[in-house]
Amino acid sequence: AQSVAQPEDQVNVAEGNPLTVKCTYSVSGNPYLFWYVQYPNRGLQFLLKYITGDNLVKGSYGFEAEFNKSQTSFHLKKPSALVSDSALYFCAVRAPRSGNTPLVFGKGTRLSVIA
Amino acid sequence: EPEVTQTPSHQVTQMGQEVILRCVPISNHLYFYWYRQILGQKVEFLVSFYNNEISEKSEIFDDQFSVERPDGSNFTLKIRSTKLEDSAMYFCASSDRAGANVLTFGAGSRLTVL
Repeated sequence: AQSVAQPEDQVNVAEGNPLTVKCTYSVSGNPYLFWYVQYPNRGLQFLLKYITGDNLVKGSYGFEAEFNKSQTSFHLKKPSALVSDSALYFCAVRAPRSGNTPLVFGKGTRLSVIA
Repeated sequence: EPEVTQTPSHQVTQMGQEVILRCVPISNHLYFYWYRQILGQKVEFLVSFYNNEISEKSEIFDDQFSVERPDGSNFTLKIRSTKLEDSAMYFCASSDRAGANVLTFGAGSRLTVL
């Protein structure tokens, strides 16, 4: 069964500094990987996904993530953090088989960007 | 931008009562999902639904849970007899395809069981 680990409950970063939110996964075969963000009182919003191809994926709001197969990681990054990036970030994985397989989420990492 | 809408935003109920959480998926989407998040814990898959039947369900989705698409627009989650441990945020999601496609989530319904 697939699983996702987000080792950090909280990440604090100063505005303008680069940020990284870590994610590792476990799945049979080549994974479909996703990042979602949740702002207060809102649903989960899609940021980016990796399906195949270039290991560096670019998404919304200047975020990017790098797929590393040998390390089974899909860390979320942004070169320069904004206060408005403060939110809860979820990494998710889906096994690449036919049918309506579930998206499995990590427990989330709260990002706090300090002005 | 199309949205998934969920009602109610918050429901408080007594243990043993039935609860129905409602969702209106995006109109051209065909795949529907319920997830839940107990406070401070991860987002957990409950059930997926396609072509008027359940595609997959997790161990959490026992006989106390059911889903229905009663009228072609709403997608409901029913909990027959709520337990304290059912207290959570319940998220509905939809997508237009399976596989690698993106799920669009609603804002969630917070259920508090007393």
